[in-house]
Amino acid sequence: GIQVEQSPPDLILQEGANSTLRCNFSDSVNNLQWFHQNPWGQLINLFYIPSGTKQNGRLSATTVATERYSLLYISSSQTTDSGVYFCAVVDYKLSFGAGTTVTVRA
Amino acid sequence: DGGITQSPKYLFRKEGQNVTLSCEQNLNHDAMYWYRQDPGQGLRLIYYSQIVNDFQKGDIAEGYSVSREKKESFPLTVTSAQKNPTAFYLCASSMGGNEQFFGPGTRLTVL
Repeated sequence: GIQVEQSPPDLILQEGANSTLRCNFSDSVNNLQWFHQNPWGQLINLFYIPSGTKQNGRLSATTVATERYSLLYISSSQTTDSGVYFCAVVDYKLSFGAGTTVTVRA
Repeated sequence: DGGITQSPKYLFRKEGQNVTLSCEQNLNHDAMYWYRQDPGQGLRLIYYSQIVNDFQKGDIAEGYSVSREKKESFPLTVTSAQKNPTAFYLCASSMGGNEQFFGPGTRLTVL
């Protein structure tokens, strides 16, 4: 199956800082999703992005399908951004990476 | 209010018992999925269904069973054959194979 690798595994930020999360995948995919898992376990959809760039408020994502990677940018981080960020590639199912745990300190 | 509901939120099971987790969606999505999440890990696919009365095994189907008698419902049974069932279970749905949306999850603990 498709392998998905996320980096870094952990990220500690001071409130207001910017950061970049990376997702590499091993094969061509139909699509890609980014999620934020909150402390209660709920997966929040952030982006559904097969290629190109999308923005939603302080978050943006870029997928370069030909080079098999995607990036998630968090700007002006807030404590509410804390949690685990997952990248998942879409074939007939979602194949998840292990996630990046983000901690934003006030 | 459209969405995906899962019940119960927490479930405790004695060893040797079967338990059934509920997943309902009112998004009119064709496809539904069950995933398992263990601490510190990503999600793994248990079963999925693309249409009513049809379903396929995912990567870790052993010890689990499902049914899809109605479009809006996809219950998961964790059987006594599942050796390590304690985990967080998440249900998802999508229109075809497009963007998937998740329910709030069920935390199962075996006592």
